[in-house]
Amino acid sequence: GIQVEQSPPDLILQEGANSTLRCNFSDSVNNLQWFHQNPWGQLINLFYIPSGTKQNGRLSATTVATERYSLLYISSSQTTDSGVYFCAVEATTDSWGKLQFGAGTQVVVTP
Amino acid sequence: DGGITQSPKYLFRKEGQNVTLSCEQNLNHDAMYWYRQDPGQGLRLIYYSQIVNDFQKGDIAEGYSVSREKKESFPLTVTSAQKNPTAFYLCASSIPRSGANVLTFGAGSRLTVL
Repeated sequence: GIQVEQSPPDLILQEGANSTLRCNFSDSVNNLQWFHQNPWGQLINLFYIPSGTKQNGRLSATTVATERYSLLYISSSQTTDSGVYFCAVEATTDSWGKLQFGAGTQVVVTP
Repeated sequence: DGGITQSPKYLFRKEGQNVTLSCEQNLNHDAMYWYRQDPGQGLRLIYYSQIVNDFQKGDIAEGYSVSREKKESFPLTVTSAQKNPTAFYLCASSIPRSGANVLTFGAGSRLTVL
């Protein structure tokens, strides 16, 4: 099946700093989503972005499908940005609905 | 407000007992999913269902069973055949829009087997 690798595994930021999280995948995809999991376990969808660039406030994401990677940018980080960020993909060769998750990037934003 | 409700939030069971986790959604979503998360790891797909009375195995279906008798409900049973059932279980739902399949998650159920 498709492989999803996220980097870095851990990230410690001072409040106000910018950061970039990366997601590499091993096959063509027709679905790519970024999620944020808060310390209580709730997962929130940040972006649906199988290709192109999107922005939502201080967050933005870019997927270069031909090169099989996606980037999530966090600007002017806040303590509420802490948590785990997951990339999830659905391979074009897989049956509909099989979203595969990466291992995540644990982000800690310190005051 | 529309959303996904998982219950119970915390569950303790003795080894060898079957356990059923509830997942109900009022989003009118067609598809529903169950994922398992172990500490420090990503989510792994257990089962998913695209329509009522139909479901498919995910990557780690052994030791689990599901049913989809109603559009709103997708309960997961963790059977005694599941060797390491202690985990955080997440239910999700989605509805395709122009081919998109964006998942909405419930708050999760944390199962501990003693």
